[in-house]
Amino acid sequence: DAKTTQPPSMDCAEGRAANLPCNHSTISGNEYVYWYRQIHSQGPQYIIHGLKNNETNEMASLIITEDRKSSTLILPHATLRDTAVYYCIVRDSGAGSYQLTFGKGTKLSVIP
Amino acid sequence: EPEVTQTPSHQVTQMGQEVILRCVPISNHLYFYWYRQILGQKVEFLVSFYNNEISEKSEIFDDQFSVERPDGSNFTLKIRSTKLEDSAMYFCASRRGPSYNEQFFGPGTRLTVL
Repeated sequence: DAKTTQPPSMDCAEGRAANLPCNHSTISGNEYVYWYRQIHSQGPQYIIHGLKNNETNEMASLIITEDRKSSTLILPHATLRDTAVYYCIVRDSGAGSYQLTFGKGTKLSVIP
Repeated sequence: EPEVTQTPSHQVTQMGQEVILRCVPISNHLYFYWYRQILGQKVEFLVSFYNNEISEKSEIFDDQFSVERPDGSNFTLKIRSTKLEDSAMYFCASRRGPSYNEQFFGPGTRLTVL
């Protein structure tokens, strides 16, 4: 699976959009980008995933650059409950049993 | 909304003792996983399970570990002889099927080995 690079921490004001970047310059054509988050030692929570098109669901939007070498997770109106560690994971959808390889992620702090 | 549950939430044991961590995956899911997270460190994959057998395992998952799906609902992780370094949060996860990408995680069991 391709390696990802994320900033270790970010702050965001409550009510503003949180834009979390991820670099995955070695991504290959059949690898998806997944985002999970972990709120204070709880189990990781799936947010969104995508291959090359931008994706949106009730939690977030995922913007993937045209060359697929980076992506941005957008939380449109961050709340205090969005304070968590956010993980960007790249993996091949057809390979193996879909186990996830977590990095250190980005610790997002939403500030009142 | 269906969710993965895990019991107990906290398990304290003496070094060398056997422990069994229990998980109830979401009922129509077919793929099951165990991960662990040592305090302050990354979440690490241990093992995946499908069709009543292990499909993949990591280097961490040595002979001291085993998994079982004893009935149609429970999925267990057994550590035969616990070591101090087994102290961690253990997360169970499940996934619905081959066409579904997302894994749903349980709240975890905190294992403390004394």
